[in-house]
Amino acid sequence: NAGVTQTPKFQVLKTGQSMTLQCAQDMNHEYMSWYRQDPGMGLRLIHYSVGAGITDQGEVPNGYNVSRSTTEDFPLRLLSAAPSQTSVYFCASSYLAQETQYFGPGTRLLVL
Amino acid sequence: GDSVTQMEGPVTLSEEAFLTINCTYTATGYPSLFWYVQYPGEGLQLLLKATKADDKGSNKGFEATYRKETTSFHLEKGSVQVSDSAVYFCALMNQAGTALIFGKGTTLSVSS
Repeated sequence: NAGVTQTPKFQVLKTGQSMTLQCAQDMNHEYMSWYRQDPGMGLRLIHYSVGAGITDQGEVPNGYNVSRSTTEDFPLRLLSAAPSQTSVYFCASSYLAQETQYFGPGTRLLVL
Repeated sequence: GDSVTQMEGPVTLSEEAFLTINCTYTATGYPSLFWYVQYPGEGLQLLLKATKADDKGSNKGFEATYRKETTSFHLEKGSVQVSDSAVYFCALMNQAGTALIFGKGTTLSVSS
């Protein structure tokens, strides 16, 4: 199993550009989520999904969009990037909600 | 709301020293508690967990005991190695099971 994979590893955007961060898992996990990591703030939940077709907001959802059309994939979309979205983004998954979450390697995003 | 407080870093130790990283939490009910570790340039890895009061999680020489009386989950290791240098995150699972709530992280640096 590859576990949780994320692409790209690093991306530079200009303010106002859009992009999609990809996340995939091959463990047949129902629960998937996106966190952002900022210096001195730990990780904060952006959006999560408890199964295909079901998504919900976390603590910091503004400026981000998600969908879950398959069990394996959970992309995160930035509609119009802002410098405040400069961060490291982690995708995580677990077999079910309330179970141990496993993290991907992260995507480092710089918005100029 | 739920929150996790962990000791500020950085923590600097010599090899073979004893390690304690303090973690306390505020939450509804009795949440599952976790320690994750992030090595330089990598994603988060689960280090250990405890799901109920008085449980002790352990892995790779690290231990933490779930203390509901003091709402604490302190991380300890009897003899640290240079390879333990990393950022350590304490986290709890919210009552709905949909999100991990993280502390801000503690950087550990071990020198030989």
